[in-house]
Parts: sequence; C-alpha cells; structure tokens
Amino acid sequence: AIQLTQSPSSLSASVGDRVTITCRASQGISSALAWYQQKPGKAPKLLIYDASSLESGVPSRFSGSGSGTDFTLTISSLQPEDFATYYCQQFNNYLFTFGPGTKVDIK
Amino acid sequence: QVTLKESGPVLVKPTETLTLTCTVSGFSLSNARMGVSWIRQPPGKALEWLAHIFSNDEKSYSTSLKSRLTISKDTSKSQVVLTMTNMDPVDTATYYCARQRLATFDYWGQGTLVTVSS
Repeated sequence: AIQLTQSPSSLSASVGDRVTITCRASQGISSALAWYQQKPGKAPKLLIYDASSLESGVPSRFSGSGSGTDFTLTISSLQPEDFATYYCQQFNNYLFTFGPGTKVDIK
Repeated sequence: QVTLKESGPVLVKPTETLTLTCTVSGFSLSNARMGVSWIRQPPGKALEWLAHIFSNDEKSYSTSLKSRLTISKDTSKSQVVLTMTNMDPVDTATYYCARQRLATFDYWGQGTLVTVSS
C-alpha cells in the first residue's frame, strides 16, 4: 500500500503568516490527493481534492498543488480559525491512506 | 442535506467483536461513484482508514487489518455496517464513517468513541 509522509509534523505560526505543508507519497498517485482540516473533537473537513481543487465553501486562502509524489497545501494568510491539524489522503488501487498529520499552532 | 451517523457500543471487552452501523441520509448507497468508508482515530493520534464499500458493492480493506474487518451495506435501510473481530485495547478510538466522492471523503459522521477494556 502507498504510504504518505507529511512535513513538518508541527509548526508554530502567527496570524497573517503564509504556511506551507508538504505531503509525499511512496509511489506516484497522479493527482488523487486530498487535504483535510481537523479541529479538536471534530470530524475532519475536506479542503482540497484532486490535489488542487478547492472544495465548495472553503476560503480561497487555501490552495493545493503537486502531482505524482510531491504535494503542497498552502495557507496564504493564516487566520485564527486555521489553527488545527491538517491531513493529506490518497486513493490508489482501491485503497485509501492518510498522512500522519501536521499540527499548526499559535506562535 | 447529506448526513452520516455512527452507532454502536461505547465499550467492548478484549477479544469481543465490534459491530458499528453508519446510517446515511441525503444520498443513496447505490449512487454511482460514491461509497462509504470507515476511518478511526485513536486518542491524540492520526486518522487511519479501515474499510470501504463502493456503490457496486465492491469492498476494500486496510492491508494491516484485513483479516479482522468485514464491511457490508443494506441499501434499503441506508446503512453500512463494519465488524471488527478480536478487539484489543489498542483499538480504542473514535470511529468515523465518511462518504466517498471520487477519490475523497466529502461528508463525515460525528464519530463514535469506542473503548476497549475489561
């Protein structure tokens, strides 16, 4: 099964900062990658699908890029409500995998 | 309005079998290109995908847990059922069901915390 790694595992940032999170797949997955945001005690929320498509209702400060094995989630200007844990997820050969997560907290 | 809701026991004993039900509304389990997965999250840890059932009734399972999992659905009841055998304390987690849209999960249930303890 394809494995996903994320870097960094955690980061501290300030409101207004530009934040970039990386997800790497152990094999090429074309663009079948999604990004989710999860806040404590809540279910994950879909942000980005197909590597770069913004889910309806998600603020445009979130963007995704990449294909193959290397992917990036960018938050252009971090807002107070963006402090959360972010997960990437892939689908390949009828199997799904989540990355280990990146926790974004307040500096 | 799409909703998913998990139900099942909050406490199971080691070696017992866990049965969880996901009841969906706002879409049909026979919709093409849609399916339902079970995903879990131990306290303070990452999400782990467990099993999936596609609209055509095809099933897939986590490689590491395949021998313990069975997923099924009753389209008429709008329910997806997951069974996990031989439960262990390390299986303590919040269990989510989520709707698959193409390669992603666009709607999630609220999750149900299952504790494994004697």
